[in-house]
Amino acid sequence: GESVGLHLPTLSVQEGDNSIINCAYSNSASDYFIWYKQESGKGPQFIIDIRSNMDKRQGQRVTVLLNKTVKHLSLQIAATQPGDSAVYFCAEVFYGQNFVFGPGTRLSVLP
Amino acid sequence: DVKVTQSSRYLVKRTGEKVFLECVQDMDHENMFWYRQDPGLGLRLIYFSYDVKMKEKGDIPEGYSVSREKKERFSLILESASTNQTSMYLCASKGGQDSPLHFGNGTRLTVT
Repeated sequence: GESVGLHLPTLSVQEGDNSIINCAYSNSASDYFIWYKQESGKGPQFIIDIRSNMDKRQGQRVTVLLNKTVKHLSLQIAATQPGDSAVYFCAEVFYGQNFVFGPGTRLSVLP
Repeated sequence: DVKVTQSSRYLVKRTGEKVFLECVQDMDHENMFWYRQDPGLGLRLIYFSYDVKMKEKGDIPEGYSVSREKKERFSLILESASTNQTSMYLCASKGGQDSPLHFGNGTRLTVT
C-alpha cells in the first residue's frame, strides 16, 4: 500500500466506539478549517469544514469543534466503522486560497 | 461531484529524464495546484495557477515547472528528474473563495 505517513501518530479505536482526532494550529487569521480523509492509495477527500466564526459543525456521523482560545480543532467520528480507517489531517485556510496542512493522524479501527 | 484525474498512478523514471505529470479537472475550476506528499513532511505546495497561462511558485518550486494552456489541464514538469524527486504527487483544483481543494488520486513517481 501507499506510505502516506510512516511517522504519523496513530489512534486505534474499537469498531463502534467514537473517535476523536485532534489538530493544533498556530495562526489566528485563518478564514476556515477543513478536515480531509486519505485512504491508502487515494488522494485526500474532503470531509467537513468550519468557518473561523463558528464553534461547532455537524455532518453525517462527524462533528468538528473549533476552540479558538487554545487554537485547537477536533474531528469526532461517531460509531467508528472499518471504512473509517485512514489518515486524517486538518488544513487551515488563509485569504481563501492559502492552505496549510497538518501532519495527519492515522486512524485504525479494530474489529 | 468534482473529478480530478491524474493520468498516471505509478511512474518509474531514470535520473535526468524529463517527466510530465498530467492533471485534468471537470468542474471548470479556475484554481489548480500541485503538491508533493512525503512521509513525515506532509503536503507541500510546488506550484499553483489561478487562471489559464498563469502560474505562481509555491513553497518548493525548485526543479519543477508547470504549464496551464487550458483551463481544465495543469501539467507538472520535471525538467531533469533526480532521485530526491521520488514522491507522491497530488493535483488539486478549487472553485470559489470559500471552497475546499479537491484532490486527484495521486501519481507515485520513483526516480532511479
